[in-house]
This record gives sequence, structure tokens and C-alpha cells, in this order.
Amino acid sequence: DQQVKQNSPSLSVQEGRISILNCDYTNSMFDYFLWYKKYPAEGPTFLISISSIKDKNEDGRFTVFLNKSAKHLSLHIVPSQPGDSAVYFCAASAVSGGSNYKLTFGKGTLLTVNP
Amino acid sequence: GAGVSQSPSNKVTEKGKDVELRCDPISGHTALYWYRQRLGQGLEFLIYFQGNSAPDKSGLPSDRFSAERTGESVSTLTIQRTQQEDSAVYLCASSLAWPGLAGGRFYSTGELFFGEGSRLTVL
Repeated sequence: DQQVKQNSPSLSVQEGRISILNCDYTNSMFDYFLWYKKYPAEGPTFLISISSIKDKNEDGRFTVFLNKSAKHLSLHIVPSQPGDSAVYFCAASAVSGGSNYKLTFGKGTLLTVNP
Repeated sequence: GAGVSQSPSNKVTEKGKDVELRCDPISGHTALYWYRQRLGQGLEFLIYFQGNSAPDKSGLPSDRFSAERTGESVSTLTIQRTQQEDSAVYLCASSLAWPGLAGGRFYSTGELFFGEGSRLTVL
């Protein structure tokens, strides 16, 4: 039972264009969402987060959008750079439900930004 | 060190052997987590520690898995009688705090800092 789904295993975009990574979740208890980036042979690093009281959070080139009714979130990277090439993981947590310590991860999307 | 340190980085073992994986969290981080990532899968929660206690062990796959933490610092994940399905990258993370609600507002990002992982291969 996969509660966090990233249906696109990979995505390829041109440098300077927008990258949009998508994530769907099924557990209505999730109220906090995070994106992590992972380079080969390294641990995941935190990128950006959003709580369910917001529908958008922006940090530089990265923006996360949350659509609670659709149980969908997306990460936008504008403009995309070759150094953004990595695996991106979507993660969710049920903070108000008392499981704030546990992150449920998707399988990841490999983003390749071509020069 | 400045980051989360894990050892060994790679471990190849024979089925039935025991293995120990070690994690040194960031100094001062009271929360410590173990996740694993099997090939083609997302990260799977195993266990977390608040200080030296582990309130939730429900993520451990079987009773062959155990973990401990001492001195609110180093943690060891032990897998007894390893099986081929235990092959995975075992990731440790630590955090200063995790997301919490106060007055209806989230007060922290709950950012986890991950180590580079220990790749376990069971032959």
C-alpha cells in the first residue's frame, strides 16, 4: 500500500526551462510535505517543505504547490540548471495525527537537466 | 564532524551472518532515525530515537532487526541472520526537532539531515 506516489520515474528538461515534479498521496492524515534531493552515493538533502495550512511555498528557484482536495503536490524548479540533476523524493508526515517523526517517502523521480 | 556519519559505507556478507551498522548523528541532535531503501523503492522508515529511547519500533521488518542508541549520540542497527531481502542502503538521519503544531501553526521544518548510507549486500 503505497501512500505517497511519484508516478514518473524520470523527467528530462532543457537547461533554463521549468521542471515540474509531481506527487500524489492517499492518506488524508498527512498534513506536512517535504521534498528531498539525492545525488548518487550521497544521502538525501532537504529542499523545501509545505504544511497543509498553505497551498504554496517558495524558496528561490523552488516552489512547492499543494492541492489538498486532489491530494496532490508538485515541485517547480525555474529556471532548471544542470546541477539540479538528481533524484527527487516527495515525503509526507501526519503531524497533527501524532506521527510527526515518521516520513513516508515516494519512490523518487530522476530529473535530468540537459545543457 | 559536521554531518551525519555512517559506517561501513559498504558491507557484503553471507546469508545467515549478523551485521552491525553504525551512525554518528550531528552533535546536539536529539532525534535519530533509521530508514532503508531497497532497489527501486522509496525510503522506508524503520525506527526513531528520542534521546536514547525508541518510542516506535513498528517499522522494523522482523525480530532479526534491532537498534540501540547510547549517550544520546551513536546508534547501532543490528541485523541478525541476514537474508537476501535485507540487501538495501540503510540510511541514518538526525534532527534537532521535528514538525510540530503550536497554536495551530507549524513551528519547525522538521528537517532531517541524512548520512550517506551503508550499502548492505547479502549473498
